[in-house]
Amino acid sequence: DTEVTQTPKHLVMGMTNKKSLKCEQHMGHRAMYWYKQKAKKPPELMFVYSYEKLSINESVPSRFSPECPNSSLLNLHLHALQPEDSALYLCASSHPGLAGGPVRNEQFFGPGTRLTVL
Amino acid sequence: SQQGEEDPQALSIQEGENATMNCSYKTSINNLQWYRQNSGRGLVHLILIRSNEREKHSGRLRVTLDTSKKSSSLLITASRAADTASYFCATGSTTGTYKYIFGTGTRLKVLA
Repeated sequence: DTEVTQTPKHLVMGMTNKKSLKCEQHMGHRAMYWYKQKAKKPPELMFVYSYEKLSINESVPSRFSPECPNSSLLNLHLHALQPEDSALYLCASSHPGLAGGPVRNEQFFGPGTRLTVL
Repeated sequence: SQQGEEDPQALSIQEGENATMNCSYKTSINNLQWYRQNSGRGLVHLILIRSNEREKHSGRLRVTLDTSKKSSSLLITASRAADTASYFCATGSTTGTYKYIFGTGTRLKVLA
């Protein structure tokens, strides 16, 4: 299984709602990523989990809260979002390589969740 | 900005022609990867070239890397309408962080 799945495909939420995005992979990857992508722009890294521990937080506002409950699952909890948070949210996974070593491996991306904040 | 730059930003060619897109980056890298993204969908990994490699081929794809100039190019030969997509380079750091930095992307349109 070389697939990363993301649910839901589309999400519309109000600024006072609480929702969660989910990501799952069964490739045995121990590094998982959340990216945000605006139209016609490259993906921007938000969070990286390595061996289920948060290793990178790119100064993301606290209204985005990541969670990695086990090695196959990655969640992104959303609360009190702003309209400018509307974007495609992409999940990816990869083999993390040797601990402390350089990044070596390709990332596998899910299809994304198209988020609209009203 | 640590982001790489790609050029051209957009490219329109006829089916059967070759497409070349370039990527420049700013920091030392362990490897450079190219990804394709069809409109509004996830990214698909195309090819990875390590910092000690100069050229790599995969099917109709040819990637070059010049670490002295901090640049890479992706050549797609004999293009097809199905190659229409956005193409991004992504650089992997030499440090121990799992951080990939994506270039600005090239939007390729192949006309049938």
